[in-house]
Amino acid sequence: DIQMTQSPSSLSASLGDSVTITCRASQDISYYLNWYQQKPGKAPKLLITASNTLQSGVPSRFSGSGSGTEFTLTIASLQPEDFATYYCQQGYTTLEFGHGTKVEIK
Amino acid sequence: QVQLQESGPGLVKPGQTLSLTCSVSGDSVNSGIYSWTWIRQPAEKGLEWIGHISPRGSTEYSPSLQSRVTISLDASRNQFSLRLNSVTAADTAFYYCARLEMAKYHWVDPWGQGTLVIVSS
Repeated sequence: DIQMTQSPSSLSASLGDSVTITCRASQDISYYLNWYQQKPGKAPKLLITASNTLQSGVPSRFSGSGSGTEFTLTIASLQPEDFATYYCQQGYTTLEFGHGTKVEIK
Repeated sequence: QVQLQESGPGLVKPGQTLSLTCSVSGDSVNSGIYSWTWIRQPAEKGLEWIGHISPRGSTEYSPSLQSRVTISLDASRNQFSLRLNSVTAADTAFYYCARLEMAKYHWVDPWGQGTLVIVSS
């Protein structure tokens, strides 16, 4: 099994801050990495596929990068609606999600 | 616009079978490049992939649940279903059905709104 490790597990940030979330895979997964945003009481929403492809309708302040075993999700200039939990997911083999990073308001 | 909706009992007794159905609109469960998947999330915890089924009916399950899970397709109703046998309190979770892209990067979108299943006597 491929293990996905996200860090940090939570972070506090202020409106307008830039934040970066890291996701590490236990083995090389090339670009097979997707990111989701989940708000309380809601289903996850797909943000980014293939490490860096922004989904239609997702604000450009979100960006993804990385390949192999290390990936990042960056949110530039945090907005109120960005406070949520973010999950990475590898699609190289059967699905495996990271444990999530909760982005909270400082 | 593709939409999915889970349905089924919200309360299941320990040792019994959890059964959920996902109704799909805007796409066909038995054609195309997408598979159909179930994912669960215990309250305040992370996401766990349960398994998926292809348009042709081939399935793949999480190794940790494989002995207890069955996912099936009902093309006539454009639905797919989940059965989880011998449930315990550890199976209490929000259960999501979703569409799974299988052409390359295996992303999940869209998701149903989720349904809470509690295992309790």
